[in-house]
Amino acid sequence: DTAVSQTPKYLVTQMGNDKSIKCEQNLGHDTMYWYKQDSKKFLKIMFSYNNKELIINETVPNRFSPKSPDKAHLNLHINSLELGDSAVYFCASSSTGGKANEKLFFGSGTQLSVL
Amino acid sequence: TQLLEQSPQFLSIQEGENLTVYCNSSSVFSSLQWYRQEPGEGPVLLVTVVTGGEVKKLKRLTFQFGDARKDSSLHITAAQPGDTGLYLCAGVRNTGFQKLVFGTGTRLLVSP
Repeated sequence: DTAVSQTPKYLVTQMGNDKSIKCEQNLGHDTMYWYKQDSKKFLKIMFSYNNKELIINETVPNRFSPKSPDKAHLNLHINSLELGDSAVYFCASSSTGGKANEKLFFGSGTQLSVL
Repeated sequence: TQLLEQSPQFLSIQEGENLTVYCNSSSVFSSLQWYRQEPGEGPVLLVTVVTGGEVKKLKRLTFQFGDARKDSSLHITAAQPGDTGLYLCAGVRNTGFQKLVFGTGTRLLVSP
């Protein structure tokens, strides 16, 4: 069973469209994250949720709206897609999100291409 | 702002060679993690170092956390093709909830 699964794996869309990426974790973790990895492989946190509550929002444009219906799911909706949104988006989870040596479990990524 | 700089950015070596990857910052971190990422997959945690000066070994991989907790290194002995991948260091800052700051990455290619 995949611990952190996200769909779709690939997403190709036109500029201006709205799209969603879904993420689910079956590890019983309290904290989930969205990270963005750019073309240079730099990985940067976007959002973090703990028990469905937003705890980290890294000055991401408000076209990006995360939603956590329950602590096992964290979806990412993107409005009015722009060329610069093209990247690989990773969902991740961790047990509580508050310990110094806590392990993050990542999904396999969603490669978003905006044309 | 890139808070964690890794060097080298790219490394292409032959099987059996040794290598060291560096992760440097001007900031202090409560701990530091190393991840390996393979194409089409998410990063996978290799190790976490918590104490300044700490050294951890994972088979042929040796990780060290700097005394001042601002830098770290990863040394691989007798590299194998299976070591190929993107190595990422990540500094942990505890600001209430854990926040990982990732390094710029080192792409390693080990040829047979």
